[in-house]
Amino acid sequence: DARVTQTPRDKVTEMGQEVTMRCQPILGHNTVFWYRQTMMQGLELLAYFRNRAPLDDSGMPKDRFSAEMPDATLATLKIQPSEPRDSAVYFCASVGRVRNIQYFGAGTRLSVL
Amino acid sequence: GQNIDQPTEMTATEGAIVQINCTYQTSGFNGLFWYQQHAGEAPTFLSYNVLDGLEEKGRFSSFLSRSKGYSYLLLKELQMKDSASYLCACMDSNYQLIWGAGTKLIIKP
Repeated sequence: DARVTQTPRDKVTEMGQEVTMRCQPILGHNTVFWYRQTMMQGLELLAYFRNRAPLDDSGMPKDRFSAEMPDATLATLKIQPSEPRDSAVYFCASVGRVRNIQYFGAGTRLSVL
Repeated sequence: GQNIDQPTEMTATEGAIVQINCTYQTSGFNGLFWYQQHAGEAPTFLSYNVLDGLEEKGRFSSFLSRSKGYSYLLLKELQMKDSASYLCACMDSNYQLIWGAGTKLIIKP
């Protein structure tokens, strides 16, 4: 059962702390997206990678957010320092080489107090 | 600019039919997607249209008119489990998805 795996599922932290979210794309998928979803903004694209290379991170606040893909099985999204306005659900999605369908992980629900 | 419009909320009755409309303006076009998202869960893929016309998949159908920048998702024989948000998304010339804000569908008995 191929699926995108995200950890942690839930994260509660205090303002100023570092937060790292991880994503394991579906095996063989070469494109990975990071999204943020809030009630007010809907789904926002933060960054995406193809063949591990970052293609677009214009949606990401550069001063505190960073995204990397150290290998084909792991993508990370880091926030340092975190702020209350970062509270949201962060989704990772991956796409295979043949079809354009994005498959989503279960998400990380982040609460910054 | 790029824009996806869909109604914020719709209500329908169990067993009935509902049509959720979506209009789009994007730079380039590589397909129109519909996703379903239940509260507290991830979006899941429903349909993909790249050519004009109707695609039917069980109780769900999706229609596309590229000349009008218009799509709809048709849900038949509504069930309570169909209560969810339905997201319309358009793939632009860079193969990125531009997402609508979603339509919250409420099914009443």
